[in-house]
Amino acid sequence: AQSVAQPEDQVNVAEGNPLTVKCTYSVSGNPYLFWYVQYPNRGLQFLLKYITGDNLVKGSYGFEAEFNKSQTSFHLKKPSALVSDSALYFCAVRRLSGNTPLVFGKGTRLSVIA
Amino acid sequence: DGGITQSPKYLFRKEGQNVTLSCEQNLNHDAMYWYRQDPGQGLRLIYYSQIVNDFQKGDIAEGYSVSREKKESFPLTVTSAQKNPTAFYLCASKGGGEQYFGPGTRLTVT
Repeated sequence: AQSVAQPEDQVNVAEGNPLTVKCTYSVSGNPYLFWYVQYPNRGLQFLLKYITGDNLVKGSYGFEAEFNKSQTSFHLKKPSALVSDSALYFCAVRRLSGNTPLVFGKGTRLSVIA
Repeated sequence: DGGITQSPKYLFRKEGQNVTLSCEQNLNHDAMYWYRQDPGQGLRLIYYSQIVNDFQKGDIAEGYSVSREKKESFPLTVTSAQKNPTAFYLCASKGGGEQYFGPGTRLTVT
């Protein structure tokens, strides 16, 4: 079975400060990991993904994520937060092999304060 | 949200009525998905379809039905058997390993 944990319901950060949104996962076999962002009353937008290769993945809007196999984590990071980054962030996982649907975490609400 | 349309954006129904949510994609993707989103619960998979004329139940299929008669269309019917139908419903399709999401339909049942 696959699962994702986002341990923080809410993350608050001051504009200009670095931000981290945490994600840990459980999957049999090699993971295929994603981060999505959702703005109010909208669908999810893809930010970045990890399949294989470099553990540091760069994505849209200056976001990056670090894959850590030993800790089964895939934390989302940004060096300098913007107020416009305030949104709901979802981590998702599926097995690299096969064609299973994505399993999502419960989401973390990021609030960037000016 | 490009390539996947969901209509309508807001939908209101009386309890006891079936309602069908539309999802259309022009991305030529084989796989399509329906998720339900409730506050604090993330996205939960209702049904998915890997190919035309085939679909599988997800984690919370009870009270829902789907069809996949055309590649580009994957409508979801919320039946009167669904105990708590009020939610935000998201449709997605998969291509190149990624899932692409529609803008969602907010269903309110009173």
